[in-house]
Amino acid sequence: GAGVSQSPSNKVTEKGKDVELRCDPISGHTALYWYRQSLGQGLEFLIYFQGNSAPDKSGLPSDRFSAERTGGSVSTLTIQRTQQEDSAVYLCASSSLGGGAYEQYFGPGTRLTVT
Amino acid sequence: ILNVEQSPQSLHVQEGDSTNFTCSFPSSNFYALHWYRWETAKSPEALFVMTLNGDEKKKGRISATLNTKEGYSYLYIKGSQPEDSATYLCAFASGGSYIPTFGRGTSLIVHP
Repeated sequence: GAGVSQSPSNKVTEKGKDVELRCDPISGHTALYWYRQSLGQGLEFLIYFQGNSAPDKSGLPSDRFSAERTGGSVSTLTIQRTQQEDSAVYLCASSSLGGGAYEQYFGPGTRLTVT
Repeated sequence: ILNVEQSPQSLHVQEGDSTNFTCSFPSSNFYALHWYRWETAKSPEALFVMTLNGDEKKKGRISATLNTKEGYSYLYIKGSQPEDSATYLCAFASGGSYIPTFGRGTSLIVHP
């Protein structure tokens, strides 16, 4: 079956511009996570959606970052006024249920480069 | 901030060697421990999720053990093959948390 998809796969943007990254989770998966991996760093949690509950935004690094999930499915991560330190690979993952005991299925990621 | 440590950071082995690496995590308030394999240019792929002390999981030549009382998990690869070359990530979820914390990974390179 279809896995998690993300678009675009690569994005180069100028400092100060806004970007939108998209994630299509596996159909029926109620939990969705956004992570990023900066050069030389581990996976950094950004935001978590579970069903109709309010998202956990505790990992968002600044108020320039926001995300939404429409209809319990597709999610969009928006970064406003991008900075060079936002350059990273942004990964989306979904799991069948929320809670830390369910394996996550990852998308291929979006490589963001801010020039 | 939960401290999840993986060692070694990187490992080079010859084809056919067996190898293992470690994930250390807090020994209190354990909920689940995940292992993922992340090959270059691909997405991380789940290997195991373990929830009980003493759990042992196996998938082909790869196996994992879990000791929640002392806060560590081992991942073993028997008879390494070049296609096992990848970064192996562990992730720890504490009780009541739905957001696993990832370690930085162990990079494994298997030389033919």
